Amino acid sequence: DAKTTQPNSMESNEEEPVHLPCNHSTISGTDYIHWYRQLPSQGPEYVIHGLTSNVNNRMASLAIAEDRKSSTLILHRATLRDAAVYYCILRDVPDYKLSFGAGTTVTVRA
Amino acid sequence: GAGVSQSPRYKVAKRGQDVALRCDPISGHVSLFWYQQALGQGPEFLTYFQNEAQLDKSGLPSDRFFAERPEGSVSTLKIQRTQQEDSAVYLCASSLRRWTSGRDGELFFGEGSRLTVL
Repeated sequence: DAKTTQPNSMESNEEEPVHLPCNHSTISGTDYIHWYRQLPSQGPEYVIHGLTSNVNNRMASLAIAEDRKSSTLILHRATLRDAAVYYCILRDVPDYKLSFGAGTTVTVRA
Repeated sequence: GAGVSQSPRYKVAKRGQDVALRCDPISGHVSLFWYQQALGQGPEFLTYFQNEAQLDKSGLPSDRFFAERPEGSVSTLKIQRTQQEDSAVYLCASSLRRWTSGRDGELFFGEGSRLTVL
């Protein structure tokens, strides 16, 4: 079901920005792009979501390509607490489910 | 607490036993979801409730799995005659509104119930 492609893993240094790419070349016009993250031994945590325009919140920014075939989650200043698996998910409204896929494991070096 | 609460956090069952997993969503949340997460994989959708109505149960893997939310708040996921392949973390999530608009994006997840079937 997963319609997104993400790198398996990424490494970052503490206090540096992290850019997490996601490809979704088969995205439809009604698909929303969602990002969740999952810290070890915890449930997933909402990060951000958007449709066409770039989005910002206190946790991150979401940059969506003009053709919507790819997007990038930006963590502006990584901390050790940001080490997690990050999932890029397309939600086709009115589907109720989120298809998580395998995600990107982010490691943050002190 | 203010978050989604799940119990038990850990459950060990012998093959063939029935288990019940409980979810207390955030008070007032209309939408409730169950997901299953096998070791090393992403969560997989099981079922969705809007208040007490189960609107989607397409992800339930077999008729041994049953979920209910009789009063539109607490939900129970029941697994009958457990098998080893049922071993997983079962995650409950809730959302404030009906999950009908793409603008709805924020699910609040509990920490999960880890089921081990021997």
